[in-house]
Amino acid sequence: KAGVTQTPRYLIKTRGQQVTLSCSPISGHRSVSWYQQTPGQGLQFLFEYFSETQRNKGNFPGRFSGRQFSNSRSEMNVSTLELGDSALYLCASRRGQGDYTFGSGTRLTVV
Amino acid sequence: DAKTTQPNSMESNEEEPVHLPCNHSTISGTDYIHWYRQLPSQGPEYVIHGLTSNVNNRMASLAIAEDRKSSTLILHRATLRDAAVYYCILRDTAGGTSYGKLTFGQGTILTVHP
Repeated sequence: KAGVTQTPRYLIKTRGQQVTLSCSPISGHRSVSWYQQTPGQGLQFLFEYFSETQRNKGNFPGRFSGRQFSNSRSEMNVSTLELGDSALYLCASRRGQGDYTFGSGTRLTVV
Repeated sequence: DAKTTQPNSMESNEEEPVHLPCNHSTISGTDYIHWYRQLPSQGPEYVIHGLTSNVNNRMASLAIAEDRKSSTLILHRATLRDAAVYYCILRDTAGGTSYGKLTFGQGTILTVHP
């Protein structure tokens, strides 16, 4: 079966721009979470969505936002990009209280 | 969030067993112990989880101490493909502020030698 699909795989943006990343969960998975991974901070939770509602949010500034659509697909947006936003952004989906299946991530580079 | 402590790195030889320890002295009664691993250039991958009893699956075994303050992930015969960062995570099932999130530590980098 198809796994979690994240697009694009790589992205280069300039400081001050905004970016939108996309995540398609496994069919039947209604929860989608987002994580940021950097060498210095490791994997950090951004937010989780279920049934188009944000259920939990990590400690990130308001420049980081997300949404979920009725088909469970999710997007996250980062506005006014900073150099420190360069990271691997990972999406994970799950069914109910099941375990998480992660995508391969989107590598964002801010220059 | 309850914290876990793991060694920064471990080494093993191929086809030998590997025991990856994890300390979680502040674990609560509603915390499940989860293990994920992250292979190079990939997202984390679920390995195994348990609450109180030892658990086995096709990938690994999980041994949980009687007081639940520590656990050990056991790879019975390490292969080169098992080289990864292994994360021990406590997942709170009681809801509240921990709902829906995994709190990753730094994990253990496992190196497998041919």
